[in-house]
Amino acid sequence: EVHLVESGGGLVQPGGSLRLSCAASGFSFGAYWMSWVRQAPGKGLEWVANIKQDGSEKYYVDSVLGRFIISRDNAASSLDLQMNSLRAEDSAVYYCARFRVTYGLSYCDSWGQGARVTVSS
Amino acid sequence: HLVLTQSPSASASLGASVKLTCTLSEGYSSYAIAWHQHQPEKGPRFLMKLNSDGTHSKGDGIPDRFSGSSSGAERYLIISRLQSEDEADYYCQTWATGSPVVFGGGTRVTVL
Repeated sequence: EVHLVESGGGLVQPGGSLRLSCAASGFSFGAYWMSWVRQAPGKGLEWVANIKQDGSEKYYVDSVLGRFIISRDNAASSLDLQMNSLRAEDSAVYYCARFRVTYGLSYCDSWGQGARVTVSS
Repeated sequence: HLVLTQSPSASASLGASVKLTCTLSEGYSSYAIAWHQHQPEKGPRFLMKLNSDGTHSKGDGIPDRFSGSSSGAERYLIISRLQSEDEADYYCQTWATGSPVVFGGGTRVTVL
């Protein structure tokens, strides 16, 4: 069974940094793209970033480009999101997700429980 | 550009059926989508992939009460025999080469 567990959330001041981690188990981590998706309070789901199996390709939503960095450690089955220059609008629950890339559709097929990030002074 | 449009809310009685709609923006009517369920205080759950011809493949453990169909640019999620635990937000999602991963705005389902 696929298991994704996020950690590292918390309260941070505007302009500060935070690093989220996602521990993966139950599948061959290195064989899959991975994603971070967030949900701000009262809002819907918003994709944040994707990373290819070997880390050679990374994609970000425009609003976090240059501030967030997605990375992975396949030996440790771990996915990270380094968040810098945080803004109030980055406050959200952040979900780690396995991202399945197939012909015709690419989609999140397994999700974690989420880590809450609050950016406030 | 690629946009998914969903009605913000839907409701139906316990034991009844509800049909949710996700509409693809112009030029993307052949695209497949995924449906996800997001119950309160839980992580989202993948429900199914849904192709433009209406064929779909569900995630592990998804009950038969959940099904999908398609017509033109519209993708549907049908929940039959509604149960209280089906009360949740439902999101459609897709992705096109060169575009970000896209989610619809979500539909909140209320079981009456």
